[in-house]
Amino acid sequence: DTGVSQDPRHKITKRGQNVTFRCDPISEHNRLYWYRQTLGQGPEFLTYFQNEAQLEKSRLLSDRFSAERPKGSFSTLEIQRTEQGDSAMYLCASSPDLPGELFFGEGSRLTVL
Amino acid sequence: DAKTTQPNSMESNEEEPVHLPCNHSTISGTDYIHWYRQLPSQGPEYVIHGLTSNVNNRMASLAIAEDRKSSTLILHRATLRDAAVYYCILDSWGKFQFGAGTQVVVTP
Repeated sequence: DTGVSQDPRHKITKRGQNVTFRCDPISEHNRLYWYRQTLGQGPEFLTYFQNEAQLEKSRLLSDRFSAERPKGSFSTLEIQRTEQGDSAMYLCASSPDLPGELFFGEGSRLTVL
Repeated sequence: DAKTTQPNSMESNEEEPVHLPCNHSTISGTDYIHWYRQLPSQGPEYVIHGLTSNVNNRMASLAIAEDRKSSTLILHRATLRDAAVYYCILDSWGKFQFGAGTQVVVTP
């Protein structure tokens, strides 16, 4: 098992462009989470899935953010019309079941110019 | 959502124990208490979790107050590799909300 993998690891984009991040969880992990982290802050919850169902989405997210997990396997997080305030590390984590530990990927760092 | 309160930072000497406190006065009966740590430039790493009873594993011990309104993570012998940000989190039906955490500094 190679752990949670995220792609790309780094993304630099211009304001207004769309970006998509991909997360491949540990196989057979039912739950998948997305977090955003800025420098000096703890990870901020964005959304999570139980298999393919999106159970909760943070009210802090604007409509520019969308996440999917088709077939309950990998997940994508898309940010439309990026803004400079979207610059952050986007972390993905998966968990086999509850109560269980979260296994985090190394993150995808977004820089919006 | 239930929240946790932790000190901003703590300092310890190498090979001495570290006691990291966490207050969670609004915890509900079904919330699990989790601890994670994050080293620089890495994703958070699981440390330990528990519900009511104290827990031990190879990394640390978790002491949970009888009323569950607070808990303490215990690192028995701090090493330089334990220098990290430690997060106390309540697992509320699978929703993990991180706070700002405690920055642990280990001095040789």
